[in-house]
Amino acid sequence: ETGVTQTPRHLVMGMTNKKSLKCEQHLGHNAMYWYKQSAKKPLELMFVYSLEERVENNSVPSRFSPECPNSSHLFLHLHTLQPEDSALYLCASSQVFLARSNTEAFFGQGTRLTVV
Amino acid sequence: AQTVTQSQPEMSVQEAETVTLSCTYDTSESDYYLFWYKQPPSRQMILVIRQEAYKQQNATENRFSVNFQKAAKSFSLKISDSQLGDAAMYFCAYRSAIERDDKIIFGKGTRLHILP
Repeated sequence: ETGVTQTPRHLVMGMTNKKSLKCEQHLGHNAMYWYKQSAKKPLELMFVYSLEERVENNSVPSRFSPECPNSSHLFLHLHTLQPEDSALYLCASSQVFLARSNTEAFFGQGTRLTVV
Repeated sequence: AQTVTQSQPEMSVQEAETVTLSCTYDTSESDYYLFWYKQPPSRQMILVIRQEAYKQQNATENRFSVNFQKAAKSFSLKISDSQLGDAAMYFCAYRSAIERDDKIIFGKGTRLHILP
């Protein structure tokens, strides 16, 4: 199993659809992140969950709804998206309340989302 | 709020030569972490190197080294003996060492081309 796994790898959805992105980490981390990567704004932080509590919501539209049921799983629920929401969505995990040697984030391979 | 700036959208280097990627950041904090990540065409973000702000010694990892200038808030990445596999997007990132400040902030990236 890889450290951080995202499914699906590719997703095409209509503007009226509802879909969810899934992220799972097998690293024992206690923080998880959603990033949006597009040509206009590379690596834009969307949400941060630390100890299963949302600690950051970076002015993300309500059509994106995160869910973190436990420290290993993170979801991004999508509904009534716009074409400009088409991007690569990256999930990451890290350790917080951390020792100095364990500070970086580990990323999944992303979900390429296309909204039509 | 912290910011990370990468002023070189693209760079090219001849294979086997040395290249330096620039990164500056802005923060009022004295304790933090800095990272360089690599994102090849496969989209997988991979940590290249890490620097703790409280350490004066520059980090090195094989052919990769950094020039960390804390007073100037500069964190450049040097790649020696460039190889074709080094071609990728490189992102500079900042993370606060403050407990419960779990954001990891990225620059816009530098696309590195390796010329055979």
